[in-house]
Amino acid sequence: DTGVSQNPRHKITKRGQNVTFRCDPISEHNRLYWYRQTLGQGPEFLTYFQNEAQLEKSRLLSDRFSAERPKGSFSTLEIQRTEQGDSAMYLCASSLFVEQYFGPGTRLTVT
Amino acid sequence: DQQVKQNSPSLSVQEGRISILNCDYTNSMFDYFLWYKKYPAEGPTFLISISSIKDKNEDGRFTVFLNKSAKHLSLHIVPSQPGDSAVYFCAASVSSGGGADGLTFGKGTHLIIQP
Repeated sequence: DTGVSQNPRHKITKRGQNVTFRCDPISEHNRLYWYRQTLGQGPEFLTYFQNEAQLEKSRLLSDRFSAERPKGSFSTLEIQRTEQGDSAMYLCASSLFVEQYFGPGTRLTVT
Repeated sequence: DQQVKQNSPSLSVQEGRISILNCDYTNSMFDYFLWYKKYPAEGPTFLISISSIKDKNEDGRFTVFLNKSAKHLSLHIVPSQPGDSAVYFCAASVSSGGGADGLTFGKGTHLIIQP
């Protein structure tokens, strides 16, 4: 299967800990996006990359959130000093044109 | 302020009939619209899209209609099947450089297909 993959699928962490999620896009896609989805809402755009360049990061929720895509392939999303309000599904998507294809998501629970 | 609105949280349709899901947007800069289907505990699955230069796009049982003057789009599913039961999200984007910026999503409509 050559779809978007995300790891881990589930993460439980204690408040104040740092967490990092990984996304592997579809191999020929040059754009990679991160979203957050909470219960009853649609996905909320956070940031995106074209190759290794981060083209939009003003929508990251706070300075505790950061993302990298060092070699233009996989990407990581890090949340520092997690808070209970960070509990959500974190989704990654990739695209070659306008249509974005999503991975299965990482479910974060902050206790 | 919600730029993409799906005003029906849920919709129940009989198997074999037509399902019509609606979506409204407010941002005139949006020039590409997409529909996604989502099952619980999975990521959204791309269904169909439409550029603002068109008013209709069809793919099998799925047809999307766009009314730019009304800032309204709809997804028609004919005939509806039990496997279509899911949450459907409308999304909009501003295209750039052959791709698009981040998508703006509505809150979704839960479609239930009754046997």
